[in-house]
Amino acid sequence: AQTVTQSQPEMSVQEAETVTLSCTYDTSESDYYLFWYKQPPSRQMILVIRQEAYKQQNATENRFSVNFQKAAKSFSLKISDSQLGDAAMYFCAYRSEANAGKSTFGDGTTLTVKP
Amino acid sequence: GAVVSQHPSRVICKSGTSVKIECRSLDFQATTMFWYRQFPKQSLMLMATSNEGSKATYEQGVEKDKFLINHASLTLSTLTVTSAHPEDSSFYICSARDEEQWDTIYFGEGSWLTVV
Repeated sequence: AQTVTQSQPEMSVQEAETVTLSCTYDTSESDYYLFWYKQPPSRQMILVIRQEAYKQQNATENRFSVNFQKAAKSFSLKISDSQLGDAAMYFCAYRSEANAGKSTFGDGTTLTVKP
Repeated sequence: GAVVSQHPSRVICKSGTSVKIECRSLDFQATTMFWYRQFPKQSLMLMATSNEGSKATYEQGVEKDKFLINHASLTLSTLTVTSAHPEDSSFYICSARDEEQWDTIYFGEGSWLTVV
């Protein structure tokens, strides 16, 4: 079974600074997707960024970028120029394509942005 | 963009009664939907995979007779919590897979269930 580990329950960053959230996963599969989701107090799950395992290039979305290390099974999220609206719970997720597309989520990291 | 709608967003029911939560894909067809449960400040736990036209696939430890899932159409999956107990109180989230959009998965807004 796949597992996803987020070792940082809480992180804090100063507004306009950069922060990196860690995520590691364990799988024996070669074809899969990795995601970072943001969950604000409204509880709506918002997709931040997506990475296909077969792609070597790290995904980027504006201020959000990932460092995908497939061999090390590591998938960290970097948030640049942090904004107050970035404060939320962030979940790393693994999605298997061999297993009906089910997703496994990490325990989450609560990000606080200080003004 | 694609939207998944959940209804109701909040529901309170009495112990022993049943409550139904709906998950609709509004502008795409979804043969596969997923139901999750989330306790406060915890992660999402997959309960079951809902398959259109066939039986749902439940995760280990999830009581299929208690959490009934029906996926009667390509745009609607329902989760019925039967004989609800206070320990069933939780936040339930569904997601739907849009196979026409690179297998993108969209999440509903979630439903708060409180059993009193």
